[in-house]
Amino acid sequence: GAVVSQHPSRVICKSGTSVKIECRSLDFQATTMFWYRQFPKQSLMLMATSNEGSKATYEQGVEKDKFLINHASLTLSTLTVTSAHPEDSSFYICSARLSGDEQYFGPGTRLTVT
Amino acid sequence: EDQVTQSPEALRLQEGESSSLNCSYTVSGLRGLFWYRQDPGKGPEFLFTLYSAGEEKEKERLKATLTKKESFLHITAPKPEDSATYLCAVQSARGYNKLIFGAGTRLAVHP
Repeated sequence: GAVVSQHPSRVICKSGTSVKIECRSLDFQATTMFWYRQFPKQSLMLMATSNEGSKATYEQGVEKDKFLINHASLTLSTLTVTSAHPEDSSFYICSARLSGDEQYFGPGTRLTVT
Repeated sequence: EDQVTQSPEALRLQEGESSSLNCSYTVSGLRGLFWYRQDPGKGPEFLFTLYSAGEEKEKERLKATLTKKESFLHITAPKPEDSATYLCAVQSARGYNKLIFGAGTRLAVHP
């Protein structure tokens, strides 16, 4: 139980284009999902909290117009990186909260912007 | 400011050599402390949640303990498949589900 998937697992895009990453909770409904970013050999940094049916809450320093988050259903949240630049290259990981405090993480998406 | 510090940064063990990983935290009202395991190129895998000082949880060769200032992840007789990065995270009472992660301990267990 508590399986979270992400798609795609890897994506390479050109500078200036947009990329959409999907996060799905496969066997449970998640009213809250989270998006993290992880740079090589560093820990996870929370980017935003996504609540079903409402606007996402962004962490300080995260550009909400650049990282668009949509949580349209109880099993799907999407992160769109708009006008991507090489410095946006990173490992993006989503998580979903079940009923308690634990967050269950997806396998991550490796984004490379050339 | 809420903060999590993990030590050591990296640890190399021989198979069967028990050891402990440390997670020190500063948080305004601890709601929960979480341990995750992360393999290279993958998302974190949930291991334990601890809520109050004195609490302990076990799973196979892993045992997590909690005090008011730190948590330990004890690994007993580790095997090579225990090699991974172990992440500690805290949630504060006012954190609205936000997890604050430490930088992790990279564990390598050699046969």
